[in-house]
Amino acid sequence: EDQVTQSPEALRLQEGESSSLNCSYTVSGLRGLFWYRQDPGKGPEFLFTLYSAGEEKEKERLKATLTKKESFLHITAPKPEDSATYLCAVQAGANNLFFGTGTRLTVIP
Amino acid sequence: DGGITQSPKYLFRKEGQNVTLSCEQNLNHDAMYWYRQDPGQGLRLIYYSQIVNDFQKGDIAEGYSVSREKKESFPLTVTSAQKNPTAFYLCASRLDRVYGYTFGSGTRLTVV
Repeated sequence: EDQVTQSPEALRLQEGESSSLNCSYTVSGLRGLFWYRQDPGKGPEFLFTLYSAGEEKEKERLKATLTKKESFLHITAPKPEDSATYLCAVQAGANNLFFGTGTRLTVIP
Repeated sequence: DGGITQSPKYLFRKEGQNVTLSCEQNLNHDAMYWYRQDPGQGLRLIYYSQIVNDFQKGDIAEGYSVSREKKESFPLTVTSAQKNPTAFYLCASRLDRVYGYTFGSGTRLTVV
């Protein structure tokens, strides 16, 4: 059965304190792994797509990496505006993303 | 600016009522999707459509219906057969596999 597990559920960081969010997956025939940012009461905002093990993508303070079993979202020197829920999703079939439950990140000034 | 517009932002439904959630996109995307989000759960697929006049059931289609008469529009009707409709509903569209899915801002439906 396809499964996506994100950890931790919640993470509190001091401003400037770097950390990583984890997304482990079990899926047959991975077609892509996606990271999204979601602010309260809003729709998810696309961050990255990763397709193959070893691939890395960066955007400002965020860096996403992918292995055969998991993906990490590294946050370097976070700021309070990085506070949000970060969602991981995998695409196995042609027309569905399978989502994890997210990591709620709080960055304290 | 191109994007996906969902309306209304908040919707209240009485027991036994059908309600329709609107989703419009001006991105010229062929594929459109409806997801439901509940606290502590990942987004779950309700229906999707790859082309006009065609749509497919997702994982939790019972109690919902959709139509796709125009490329730009993909409305979702929550029928009285949906026993637990209170949730946050998200519409999405996709251009291709590179850019993933673009989401709307959501509609929060509450049963009163």
